[in-house]
Amino acid sequence: DTAVSQTPKYLVTQMGNDKSIKCEQNLGHDTMYWYKQDSKKFLKIMFSYNNKELIINETVPNRFSPKSPDKAHLNLHINSLELGDSAVYFCASSQEGQGSVDTQYFGPGTRLTVL
Amino acid sequence: GESVGLHLPTLSVQEGDNSIINCAYSNSASDYFIWYKQESGKGPQFIIDIRSNMDKRQGQRVTVLLNKTVKHLSLQIAATQPGDSAVYFCAESYSGGYQKVTFGIGTKLQVIP
Repeated sequence: DTAVSQTPKYLVTQMGNDKSIKCEQNLGHDTMYWYKQDSKKFLKIMFSYNNKELIINETVPNRFSPKSPDKAHLNLHINSLELGDSAVYFCASSQEGQGSVDTQYFGPGTRLTVL
Repeated sequence: GESVGLHLPTLSVQEGDNSIINCAYSNSASDYFIWYKQESGKGPQFIIDIRSNMDKRQGQRVTVLLNKTVKHLSLQIAATQPGDSAVYFCAESYSGGYQKVTFGIGTKLQVIP
């Protein structure tokens, strides 16, 4: 009965490869997010989707492409992986819409290591 | 951007003592503030929140204080326990549009048994 789940938990790959991370939430939330956490534990938002619509797109290289097939899923595809992409990626979800704020629930994270 | 060159602040506290973790936020328009706890190998977990129309909110063993004048937030943990050892993040948000949460750099709390 995990609320927000991510797969895989660990991902080790070579530079230049393309990889995907999947996220699913069973909370019935309308909004989902992707965050990147660097080695210094700094947590920065990358993308946010509300009901499958992209609403936040921070300054992220276009090698990163989120895809939301339905409001319970938000996947992250990364093309041409670089060393600097190594980090922990967190998916989160919240029940909110425009003009309101709500608690975000985080997944367990995916540790990506690019060699 | 990323916290290049910055080290994670660390607070060491004796078990049973009270802990106070401080945070300065940047956006005077922010009206919602959250504290998250991140244990090793896990995602951040909600602890307590406060809206800008309040200056204090209490939960179970935790209290959040908000000073909008100086844009300062603090988290007080009473009778700190070993299970409280984690990295704590403050976060700010503005309810005027879709919520974009901005996280602070985090503080590592070490509880000494």
